[in-house]
Amino acid sequence: QVLLQESGPGLVKPSQTLSLICTVSGDSISSGSHDWTWIRQPAGKGLEWLGHIYARGTSVTSTHNYSLGRRITMSADTSKNQFSLTLASVAATDTAVYYCVRAQRGNYYYYHYMDVWGRGTTVTV
Amino acid sequence: QSVLTQPPSVSGTPGQRVTMSCSGSDSNIGRNSVTWYQHLPGAAPKLLIYIDNQRPSGVPDRFSGSKSGTSASLAISGLQSEDEADYYCTSWDDRLEILVLGTGTKVTVL
Repeated sequence: QVLLQESGPGLVKPSQTLSLICTVSGDSISSGSHDWTWIRQPAGKGLEWLGHIYARGTSVTSTHNYSLGRRITMSADTSKNQFSLTLASVAATDTAVYYCVRAQRGNYYYYHYMDVWGRGTTVTV
Repeated sequence: QSVLTQPPSVSGTPGQRVTMSCSGSDSNIGRNSVTWYQHLPGAAPKLLIYIDNQRPSGVPDRFSGSKSGTSASLAISGLQSEDEADYYCTSWDDRLEILVLGTGTKVTVL
């Protein structure tokens, strides 16, 4: 069974940096088989895709939602089977439930679906 | 930001069939497949339909998806009270190079 668990502070002060870690069990993030993704949902609003990392062996690449500009960074620690999200200069609008998710995709993203979700962690700015 | 447009809400009585739309463009739905998620209150979203019309194991066949051109639809037949949830569509956007999501549709069982 594949499980994802988010961890990190639940409260972050404005202008500071939000850092979350997702610990994966039951699958290897460096297998090259999936995208490891961050999604968030502000209270009362819809889901927002933040980006993902893709790891194959020791090679890790990331793709981010351009709407967050340079504030967002994603990385992976393949030795710990973890991936992380860092969001700088946070504001109240970054208050949300943050999910880490496993995604599957086809060549050139012809298909993309997120099949395993963490339970989510609430971050308040 | 939401690039895919969904109706804010749909409703129906138990046993009824309801449908909801997801409207996109040539750079997303027009080129790539659509995925649907069910988001129950207090829970993580759940994969409902992938590659336009495929159901994962465990999803009842009451749920069905379709796609035509730059739009997609999700249908729920034999509506049940446990179907009350928010439903989101997604598709990869080749121009923006990001995953785009719908605005979400709230299903209410009357």
